[in-house]
Amino acid sequence: KQEVTQIPAALSVPEGENLVLNCSFTDSAIYNLQWFRQDPGKGLTSLLLIQSSQREQTSGRLNASLDKSSGRSTLYIAASQPGDSATYLCAVDSNYQLIWGAGTKLIIKP
Amino acid sequence: NAGVTQTPKFQVLKTGQSMTLQCAQDMNHEYMSWYRQDPGMGLRLIHYSVGAGITDQGEVPNGYNVSRSTTEDFPLRLLSAAPSQTSVYFCASSSSLAGRETQYFGPGTRLLVL
Repeated sequence: KQEVTQIPAALSVPEGENLVLNCSFTDSAIYNLQWFRQDPGKGLTSLLLIQSSQREQTSGRLNASLDKSSGRSTLYIAASQPGDSATYLCAVDSNYQLIWGAGTKLIIKP
Repeated sequence: NAGVTQTPKFQVLKTGQSMTLQCAQDMNHEYMSWYRQDPGMGLRLIHYSVGAGITDQGEVPNGYNVSRSTTEDFPLRLLSAAPSQTSVYFCASSSSLAGRETQYFGPGTRLLVL
């Protein structure tokens, strides 16, 4: 059974720092992996989708990498800003269903 | 486009009551799904639909019913509410099967069952 883990559960860093969020999964047979952002009291917004054949995807200050063999993905955020404060979730497409991690709550201190 | 809309935003129920959570999308998406989100856990799939008239169970379907009479609407029914159903419920839609394309989420319905 596919399981997705995100560590740490919470992270607080000063504004301007580069940071990395981690996502690990137990079964490497995935179709793709997605990163989402969730703001308090709101729905989820898709950030990046990495196909299983890809190694990374970039969007602005965000870069997501995927290493299927080791069951790991990272989300790199460059030059963090207070507006980046949110919960970040990863999900893997496993057998036509998304399996989700519990998320990392990120706080960027001004 | 309004995207994915959900009503109500917040609801309090007593144990045993029934209710329907509404979800609608205006993007002509075939795939729609319902998730619940509990503290410290990832989202869990309740039910999903791949098109009008077609629904199937997800990971945690017990206590919930769905129907899909139109492409736009995908209501979730709680048959007899239990405290274990206290959660935040999200509806999502996409142009194809979950995960294969970008999913769009509604703002969520926060449900408290007493």
